Amino acid sequence: EVQLLESGGGLVQPGGSLRLSCAASGFTFSNYAMSWVRQAPGKGLEWVSAISASGGGTYYADSVKGRFTISRDNSKNTLYLQMNSLRAEDTAIYYCAKRGLDALGSSFDYWGQGTLVTVSS
Amino acid sequence: EIVLTQSPATLSLSPGERATLSCRASQSVSTYLAWYQQKPGQAPRLLIYAASNRATGIPARFSGSGSGTDFTLTISSLEPEDFAVYYCQQRSNWPPEYTFGQGTKLEIK
Repeated sequence: EVQLLESGGGLVQPGGSLRLSCAASGFTFSNYAMSWVRQAPGKGLEWVSAISASGGGTYYADSVKGRFTISRDNSKNTLYLQMNSLRAEDTAIYYCAKRGLDALGSSFDYWGQGTLVTVSS
Repeated sequence: EIVLTQSPATLSLSPGERATLSCRASQSVSTYLAWYQQKPGQAPRLLIYAASNRATGIPARFSGSGSGTDFTLTISSLEPEDFAVYYCQQRSNWPPEYTFGQGTKLEIK
């Protein structure tokens, strides 16, 4: 059974930093690209960042480019999101999501339960 | 950036009725479109990928259609557990960027 378990969320002041983790199990983690998707309270879904299976390719939404860094440790089956210079508008539930099986990997077939990040003074 | 526009914003129907949800892209996304269901307090669940393929374990009452810029999610006969928010999502070819529609809330009439 595929499982994705996020951790590391919490309350942080504006300008602060936080590192999220996503522990994966139930599939060969090193074979799949992964993404982070967030959802502000009461709002819709927003893709944040993606990383290739090897970790050699990283991609970001414009809203987080230069502030967030995605990485992975395939030996630990873990995905990370380093978040710096946090702003109030980064407040959201952060989900990790696994690349789907379609040819382009254009969907996310498994999602974690999310971790809440609150940016407030 | 490709924008996805979902309609209607809210759809009020009764169990047993047919639901038709629309997603329109600002430019062609071929068939690189997915649909998700999200219930309160839960993570999204993949329903349909590549426009018309049901994900693992998704009931046959869910179907997707379309290509290019116009897509439809159809629920043939609503069950009580189908009332939720539905999102469409696309991926651009290169660089890989993903966008979601704003969602359609399917509520009980």
